[in-house]
Formats: sequence, structure tokens, C-alpha cells
Amino acid sequence: QQPVQSPQAVILREGEDAVINCSSSKALYSVHWYRQKHGEAPVFLMILLKGGEQKGHDKISASFNEKKQQSSLYLTASQLSYSGTYFCGTEEGNYQLIWGAGTKLIIKP
Amino acid sequence: DTEVTQTPKHLVMGMTNKKSLKCEQHMGHRAMYWYKQKAKKPPELMFVYSYEKLSINESVPSRFSPECPNSSLLNLHLHALQPEDSALYLCASSYDPGAEQYFGPGTRLTVT
Repeated sequence: QQPVQSPQAVILREGEDAVINCSSSKALYSVHWYRQKHGEAPVFLMILLKGGEQKGHDKISASFNEKKQQSSLYLTASQLSYSGTYFCGTEEGNYQLIWGAGTKLIIKP
Repeated sequence: DTEVTQTPKHLVMGMTNKKSLKCEQHMGHRAMYWYKQKAKKPPELMFVYSYEKLSINESVPSRFSPECPNSSLLNLHLHALQPEDSALYLCASSYDPGAEQYFGPGTRLTVT
């Protein structure tokens, strides 16, 4: 079952923060986050495994609430380069990634 | 080498043609994937190869035929496609099934 991402789209000014949510009705083994810029392939950001860990690098971090089957991606002090469509992918233990519909992020100067 | 390569970049084919898409990685990854992506939609999984064996086939029409000649190569053979098959075809690889996936740039396919 496709995970639900919210919001569908968000417009920010450079330097503002954003949170993108991903939720599933199924028990999850892992959650992946990818960013895709227009005309390009998706790029891996991070993976969160069952265990409720939080990860991050630079100003992008993510959390995984195993009990609620929810993950959130946090973008801090957004930069123009953060623009793109963010996808979460959920995995239920069968190695098959189910992709959310995506969240379009627009960063304005 | 952290790159997945795909050829060709663009392909235009008629409904009676036979063509192949090629994907290559030299990262020692043991899983390789084919995805189809339509505009403004997420990638849609078509096939997964794990250790050179087809492990997941998402009920894809038989006009798409995957092949994994060795651990570094993945092909997608196309035959008698329909106009609705026009899309971006993405190849990805991961060290293990379920691990983070690295994508190639994709092949933009147009069926006329």
C-alpha cells in the first residue's frame, strides 16, 4: 500500500525550515528518502531502519517512529539546491520499496 | 566508481520495433532494478534482480523482458510496445536488496 506523503507541495524562502511527512498503514522495516530534481534521476538521501532511529547529515535529517509507522524529513535553513521533489519509500521486510506520491519543494531566493 | 550508467539516453520506437535498454554498474552491487516513471509520478517498480536472479516481477506485460547477463549488467528488451509505454525508464542498483538504491540517469522512451 502506497505511503501517504504530506504536504503535496511547499514553497519556502531560502533559509526557512521544512518538514515532510510520510506515513503508512503497514508495519515497516525501513523508510528511504530520495530527492529528484526536474529532468534528473532520484538521488538517495538517507535510510532509516526499524528501531526508531534518527539520522542526519548537513542540514537534512529524518526520524522514524516505528510505532506510528511514520517518518519525517527535516530540512533546516533551506538552500536553493534543496528544490526538487522528495519521495519517501517504505519497505515492509520483502525488499520491495513502495514509493509515496512525492512532495514538491520550491525554494525562492 | 559510484555510477550507474544507462544507454541510450533517448529512444524513439514504433509499435512494431524491437529495442533494448542497457544498464551497467561497477559498484559490486548484488541487486538491480528497473523502474518506469511517468511525468509527475513516483517511480514504479517493474523488475528486481537479486544475485542475478529475477526475484520480483510486478506483473509487467510480457512486451517488457528483463535480462541480467552478469552481476554488473541489466538489460530491458522491448517489443511491440504501446504509446502508453512512453516514459522515463530508470535503472537502479543497491548493495543488497532493501538497501539504498543508486539510480542511473534514465532512458527517455517515446513510442510512436
